[in-house]
Amino acid sequence: AQSVTQPDIHITVSEGASLELRCNYSYGATPYLFWYVQSPGQGLQLLLKYFSGDTLVQGIKGFEAEFKRSQSSFNLRKPSVHWSDAAEYFCAVGAWEAGNNRKLIWGLGTSLAVNP
Amino acid sequence: SAVISQKPSRDICQRGTSLTIQCQVDSQVTMMFWYRQQPGQSLTLIATANQGSEATYESGFVIDKFPISRPNLTFSTLTVSNMSPEDSSIYLCSVGRMGYEQYFGPGTRLTVT
Repeated sequence: AQSVTQPDIHITVSEGASLELRCNYSYGATPYLFWYVQSPGQGLQLLLKYFSGDTLVQGIKGFEAEFKRSQSSFNLRKPSVHWSDAAEYFCAVGAWEAGNNRKLIWGLGTSLAVNP
Repeated sequence: SAVISQKPSRDICQRGTSLTIQCQVDSQVTMMFWYRQQPGQSLTLIATANQGSEATYESGFVIDKFPISRPNLTFSTLTVSNMSPEDSSIYLCSVGRMGYEQYFGPGTRLTVT
């Protein structure tokens, strides 16, 4: 069965430091992978997505992610974190079901705190 | 992407009552989804609502408790019926694109007393 694991429940970094959030997935075929961010009291915003092609994808807000098939990973990175990046980050994988239903399988999320 | 609005943004309801949440999209979409998110938790899919077909419910969710309507390609409603405090949560609607990506509304924060 498809699954997504975000090993880190909570991460704290200092402003200006680099960031890497981990995501591992389990999926039988070529995955469609996503990172979403949810700021306090806000809805979810799509940061970036991977469908095929270049394994390093660029997203909004200066984020990037790298797809590594051999490691079943899709880690999110940012070279320099800003205080406004404090939020909950969710990794998701697209799953197709009979009846042409496409849905997302979600990780449990990583809460990011940023120290000034 | 798509612009998605939800009504109400929040509500406080008494147990035993029902609340209908509306989701409006600024463009026509085939796939819409309804999620529940407990405070500090991940998203749990309630059902997929495709226009022209009955909603498909995930395990643990039933139509009698969470009836869904999808009258056209830009609108859907989710009703939370016979509410109990355990239904207190954030309810999110999203729209799906052919590449699996989804775009979310701002959510409805429900408190049941």
